[in-house]
Amino acid sequence: QVQLQESGPRLVKPSQTLSLTCTVSGGSIRSSYWTWIRQPAGKEVEWIGLVSTSGTTKYNPSLKSRVTMSVDTSKNQLSLMLSSVTAADTAVYYCARAQFYEYVWGSYRYDYYMDVWGKGTRVTVSS
Amino acid sequence: SSELTQDPAVSVALGQTVRITCQGDSLSNYYATWYQQKPGQAPVLVIYRKNHRPSGIPDRFSGSHSGNTASLTITGAQAEDEADYYCNSRDTSDFHWVFGGGTKLTVL
Repeated sequence: QVQLQESGPRLVKPSQTLSLTCTVSGGSIRSSYWTWIRQPAGKEVEWIGLVSTSGTTKYNPSLKSRVTMSVDTSKNQLSLMLSSVTAADTAVYYCARAQFYEYVWGSYRYDYYMDVWGKGTRVTVSS
Repeated sequence: SSELTQDPAVSVALGQTVRITCQGDSLSNYYATWYQQKPGQAPVLVIYRKNHRPSGIPDRFSGSHSGNTASLTITGAQAEDEADYYCNSRDTSDFHWVFGGGTKLTVL
């Protein structure tokens, strides 16, 4: 079964760029969608963005100007870069696989749900 | 602040039924997904596509939807169901997803 493992620096200085990698094992990264989610301690879960192996990306509007997500199919990895970080970016960061589905509810709709999650990695922004 | 509203905390007696609700405008257009999170662990998918359960999730978990409100029902709550539960939905205004603030379920 597919397993995900986040990795990257645990401590990032303010104004720098946070860079994380998610390694996919037990399955191929191809032909799937992948997401990044974060959870500040004691606060709400926040969806960061989605990336497909074809290169399509969608980002949370509140983070869009600072986020870059990509996929490296040769390494079975996805990556997250978040620039100009502040203390507000301190959180546990998760990668997750997103499953696409379609349905009709009055009209055609499509959506995703996250069915496999990594264990998460805690990133602290501090000088 | 969340665009999906959940009660911060709910309690249920062991073996009884509990309903956790999630309310928001986006739910008038999209189904909710529900995740269970235990302390120090990653969220686990429990309900998707309104009322589907992934393999391995007990059938005491069920989902429903009415208007702008989605519900997660646990019929016969067990001690191991004590956790935080988050709803999640696609936002109607743009291509992104929002989470509710979470509901802490205590099993008495």
